[in-house]
Amino acid sequence: ETGVTQTPRHLVMGMTNKKSLKCEQHLGHNAMYWYKQSAKKPLELMFVYSLEERVENNSVPSRFSPECPNSSHLFLHLHTLQPEDSALYLCASSQVVGSQPQHFGDGTRLSIL
Amino acid sequence: DQQVKQNSPSLSVQEGRISILNCDYTNSMFDYFLWYKKYPAEGPTFLISISSIKDKNEDGRFTVFLNKSAKHLSLHIVPSQPGDSAVYFCAAIRNGGGSNYKLTFGKGTLLTVNP
Repeated sequence: ETGVTQTPRHLVMGMTNKKSLKCEQHLGHNAMYWYKQSAKKPLELMFVYSLEERVENNSVPSRFSPECPNSSHLFLHLHTLQPEDSALYLCASSQVVGSQPQHFGDGTRLSIL
Repeated sequence: DQQVKQNSPSLSVQEGRISILNCDYTNSMFDYFLWYKKYPAEGPTFLISISSIKDKNEDGRFTVFLNKSAKHLSLHIVPSQPGDSAVYFCAAIRNGGGSNYKLTFGKGTLLTVNP
């Protein structure tokens, strides 16, 4: 298996639930990213990790909590989300932070009830 | 304030003709530009890029042109094929280390190539 894999592809959750999004890359990359794409808005960078260390937290609310246990895996833990958090969440990786291009997963479509 | 703008939300082209997708940027510090293509239910995939030291980069049917003075770039697809129907995102980055690694994306243009 190659590329960037995200699970689940779709997630519906209530505002009081706790869930996690998972991303796995098989490209040997050292940098991983979380993006959010809301309707009619550009992709917004949320978090950047370089070799399991968080490099960037782009003013993201604390109800989103990333975790990078190793350079191949990235999680986004969700708790007490709001309806406006409904969006497509995309994971990406690149060789090192800042190198291009970034390789994207297919995303998790998140709906908050 | 959007730093990367794709002012046409959609474009429709006949198969075999040229598709021209446009992108404008406001940040003169951007020095590397990329085009991504996205099919429904899939993530964006990298298509072609251009460095600010160049004004043209070609890869098969895809050519990207950069006009730095106008802060404008365009993606030309010729000849267009029905399989090119997708959303195309323009993205820009300011390389240079430190925190200058953020890809800034446009909102995308939906290209439809009609058979």
